[in-house]
Amino acid sequence: DAKTTQPTSMDCAEGRAANLPCNHSTISGNEYVYWYRQIHSQGPQYIIHGLKNNETNEMASLIITEDRKSSTLILPHATLRDTAVYYCIVRGPGDGGSQGNLIFGKGTKLSVKP
Amino acid sequence: DVKVTQSSRYLVKRTGEKVFLECVQDMDHENMFWYRQDPGLGLRLIYFSYDVKMKEKGDIPEGYSVSREKKERFSLILESASTNQTSMYLCASSLWDLWGQRYTDTQYFGPGTRLTVL
Repeated sequence: DAKTTQPTSMDCAEGRAANLPCNHSTISGNEYVYWYRQIHSQGPQYIIHGLKNNETNEMASLIITEDRKSSTLILPHATLRDTAVYYCIVRGPGDGGSQGNLIFGKGTKLSVKP
Repeated sequence: DVKVTQSSRYLVKRTGEKVFLECVQDMDHENMFWYRQDPGLGLRLIYFSYDVKMKEKGDIPEGYSVSREKKERFSLILESASTNQTSMYLCASSLWDLWGQRYTDTQYFGPGTRLTVL
């Protein structure tokens, strides 16, 4: 089972910031928060991940609350090409072998509108 | 940038045929994965490999086999294709990374192969 809860869908105006929330209230201390997105009929695309500090890269920012029970993915200036399903995933660290499965929940369908 | 490529975007095969799906990554990643994605079922792990010639079963290995003879290449084989193997097949690769004093691996996906078995 996915360990995360996300809204089913969201709209965002082109050029505005898109803020996608995720609840992961049962996250344990050694688990990371990952975000992926999947544009229709394409493979999932890695966006960002974090442990407890806020993270930023060229695609997005990740804000994790102090209690780590929720996080927000921020796309600072959404474009039409950002329309996709966004998945928030919680994963533990590996033990020397691969962590195996990436468990995707239902995600949030983000529609960026002109 | 990580590049994961898959041999075909679309494939149509007949029941009983042997099907080969190839995946190549160019980032010297240790780990490679094969998933299938079906509506309402999300991603399901078929097999993964953490080294050359090593393989581990995922959640749904039945009807599939894999081969990893070279580090950059991971092949998925459908020994005798059936209609219930019609699906989107996704390959991914990852590398162990020290992050916040712990190791994690970030998986990077290929574009997918949409296989239809008639």
